[in-house]
Amino acid sequence: DGGITQSPKYLFRKEGQNVTLSCEQNLNHDAMYWYRQDPGQGLRLIYYSQIVNDFQKGDIAEGYSVSREKKESFPLTVTSAQKNPTAFYLCASSNRDPGYTIYFGEGSWLTVV
Amino acid sequence: DAKTTQPNSMESNEEEPVHLPCNHSTISGTDYIHWYRQLPSQGPEYVIHGLTSNVNNRMASLAIAEDRKSSTLILHRATLRDAAVYYCILRGSGGSNYKLTFGKGTLLTVNP
Repeated sequence: DGGITQSPKYLFRKEGQNVTLSCEQNLNHDAMYWYRQDPGQGLRLIYYSQIVNDFQKGDIAEGYSVSREKKESFPLTVTSAQKNPTAFYLCASSNRDPGYTIYFGEGSWLTVV
Repeated sequence: DAKTTQPNSMESNEEEPVHLPCNHSTISGTDYIHWYRQLPSQGPEYVIHGLTSNVNNRMASLAIAEDRKSSTLILHRATLRDAAVYYCILRGSGGSNYKLTFGKGTLLTVNP
């Protein structure tokens, strides 16, 4: 079945470590997005990409990095520079047509221990 | 910054209609209005979207004001499974419009 797969579902990180969250889609979508969600809060945009080998910073990009080497993949690295990384991370994808539906993954929980 | 404004929370009773408002006074002529909802610890799911005309699907109806500066998501008969955070977003094309931003949404509570 087509969809977006995020992994891992749960991840624990020690302070000072970098971690990478995976996001894969087989929907042939050009656009992909990463959001962060803190408890009781809305979605905040970290990075987005409209095409392979190109991406832009969102509203809270500091301490994060991404790559878009393949159309179906958009991994997010949470670096040690991110001061408060504990959160729920969501990946989304869509076509660039604004009348098209946005599809979300099931999310990844990251906890710093 | 989010381009839409929604109430923080709303409450409804089961089997009653629910009208969730959204203001988007800066909407451009080519922006689509999308609605998504999110259950706890899950990714948001699509509800409905429209451009100018009212829209209906199996989940809900979308009523768009004539000037397009506001819209209303209508759940015709709320169920306990409709309790979620509802997000209204604008989606345009080209340049900075590809930046998809969500606000805090409206937390809908459904009472049995």
